[in-house]
Amino acid sequence: GEDVEQSLFLSVREGDSSVINCTYTDSSSTYLYWYKQEPGAGLQLLTYIFSNMDMKQDQRLTVLLNKKDKHLSLRIADTQTGDSAIYFCAEKGYSSASKIIFGSGTRLSIRP
Amino acid sequence: GAVVSQHPSWVICKSGTSVKIECRSLDFQATTMFWYRQFPKQSLMLMATSNEGSKATYEQGVEKDKFLINHASLTLSTLTVTSAHPEDSSFYICSATPQGATEKLFFGSGTQLSVL
Repeated sequence: GEDVEQSLFLSVREGDSSVINCTYTDSSSTYLYWYKQEPGAGLQLLTYIFSNMDMKQDQRLTVLLNKKDKHLSLRIADTQTGDSAIYFCAEKGYSSASKIIFGSGTRLSIRP
Repeated sequence: GAVVSQHPSWVICKSGTSVKIECRSLDFQATTMFWYRQFPKQSLMLMATSNEGSKATYEQGVEKDKFLINHASLTLSTLTVTSAHPEDSSFYICSATPQGATEKLFFGSGTQLSVL
């Protein structure tokens, strides 16, 4: 079945870049997402990428997609303390009723 | 981005009572809404897909008589936890997809349910 995998933890120094990685198994995935969740809150859509793209940049965020290896990454430049959160990778098919499959989430912690 | 409002943010109830959680899309119409459950430090588990004007589609292992879903309009879906028990305590999150923008999925802020 479909599966999305992420490492559970990442610790980076403030000001450095953070790179969060994700792998997925469903080759028919059309959309790939990165969501941010802060404690006790819902999920905030950070960015998403179509499966026919290999890169998308939005301010400090860069998403890279290697469709052949089914690997997705999120790079956060100049990581700040406010970036501390759990980051979820997710994939979804084309239709509105397609289920979105989430990874387990990567907890990003920032050290001074 | 689009706003999905979820209410209440938290609720404490006695065992055996029912609790209703509302999910509203404030600035768009949503043909499809999704309900998730999240346990501490875990990922989101899809419970059901709610379609406006029709019955919800439940995931395997989710009791439809326990978790009643109503999607009466294009901007409102409700989840009712019936006869709640302590094991139903969890964080419940809804999400909605705007009509004509199937790639986008926006989430509510979640509801923390604690059953005593």
